[in-house]
Amino acid sequence: NAGVTQTPKFQVLKTGQSMTLQCAQDMNHEYMSWYRQDPGMGLRLIHYSVGAGITDQGEVPNGYNVSRSTTEDFPLRLLSAAPSQTSVYFCASSSGGSSGEQFFGPGTRLTVL
Amino acid sequence: DQQVKQNSPSLSVQEGRISILNCDYTNSMFDYFLWYKKYPAEGPTFLISISSIKDKNEDGRFTVFLNKSAKHLSLHIVPSQPGDSAVYFCAASERDMRFGAGTRLTVKP
Repeated sequence: NAGVTQTPKFQVLKTGQSMTLQCAQDMNHEYMSWYRQDPGMGLRLIHYSVGAGITDQGEVPNGYNVSRSTTEDFPLRLLSAAPSQTSVYFCASSSGGSSGEQFFGPGTRLTVL
Repeated sequence: DQQVKQNSPSLSVQEGRISILNCDYTNSMFDYFLWYKKYPAEGPTFLISISSIKDKNEDGRFTVFLNKSAKHLSLHIVPSQPGDSAVYFCAASERDMRFGAGTRLTVKP
């Protein structure tokens, strides 16, 4: 099993550009989530999904969109990138919902100039 | 507002001694608590968890203690090893999962 995979590993954007961070898992987990990690702030939840077709907002959803058309994939879209979105982004999945052990991907380091 | 707080950004201990990492939370509705460990350039990995109906959970060298009245939990690592050097995140869940800011543990040989 590959577990949770994320692409790309690194990305540099200009302000106003849009892009999609990809996340896939092969563990048949229903619950998937996106976090951003910033110095001194820990991991903050952006969006999460409890199953295909169902998504909800987390703690810091503004500027991001998600969709969940399949169990495996949970892409995160930046609509119009801003320097405040410079961060490391982690995708995670869990078989036990929000209370279960979450398996994290290796992260995407995004810089917005 | 940060519902999960780790007030110590860093901790340094000698190999073989006990490491105690602390975490406080404000939301009394949290029903599950977890600790994750993170190495540089990697995603966090699950370490140990505890349900709100328990006050202690042990797994090898790692023990998590929960004090619901104080809204406090702690992770004990005994004995500490150099390979334990990492950033440790406390997390708590209700409808979704919230993380603390992390504590960087350094175990010196």
